[in-house]
Amino acid sequence: DIVMTQTPLSLSVTPGQPASISCKSSQSLLHNNGNTYLYWYLQKSGQPPQLLIYEVSNRFSGVPDRFSGSGSGTDFTLKIGRVEAEDVGIYYCVQSLQLPLTFGGGTKVEIK
Amino acid sequence: EVQLVESGGGLIQPGGSLRLSCAASGVSVSSNYMSWVRQAPGKGLEWVSVIYTDDSTYYADSVKGRFTISRDNSKNTLYLQMNSLRAKDTALYYCARGVHVGVTAPSYWGQGTLVTVSS
Repeated sequence: DIVMTQTPLSLSVTPGQPASISCKSSQSLLHNNGNTYLYWYLQKSGQPPQLLIYEVSNRFSGVPDRFSGSGSGTDFTLKIGRVEAEDVGIYYCVQSLQLPLTFGGGTKVEIK
Repeated sequence: EVQLVESGGGLIQPGGSLRLSCAASGVSVSSNYMSWVRQAPGKGLEWVSVIYTDDSTYYADSVKGRFTISRDNSKNTLYLQMNSLRAKDTALYYCARGVHVGVTAPSYWGQGTLVTVSS
């Protein structure tokens, strides 16, 4: 199974400041079709996860442009340009290159 | 608007069976990769199973041989038959649609149905 490792475990951010979350996979997520199957989700308290970023860097429908994803191979980053109060929750990276789908352990983002 | 509504959860004794349902609207369960993902209380997310558009099915090792995913296209509903339930199966079970055909990673999720396995 592909292991997904996220850092940090938690993050406390001042509103308006940037934030960054790292995700590393135990093997490359690049498929031979040229796509890289790395996704980012935010789970707010008491809600199901919501898709933020698909295939490394594509914002899902309705996701604000302060969220951006980057990376390649085994190293990926989610950046929040200017954190807002509504961004609190747990962020997960997920790989969909192969089954089983595997999730990172999560990064809890709080507001200072 | 995509809506996925799970039902069928509840309290069940170890060794028992439950069938979860996921009624879909705004999306065809037969035309999308459909998954079940679970989350134990206070824990992270664990993928459980997927059914592809060609009817092939796949399972996490932790549930293989005990759980069965299926769908009823006429009812546009996804199911998860869970047998030989264990305490470790206690979780909120989410139904989810793949980002697009060819991708298991979910785009839309339901609100979940809670399964509690306890004597």
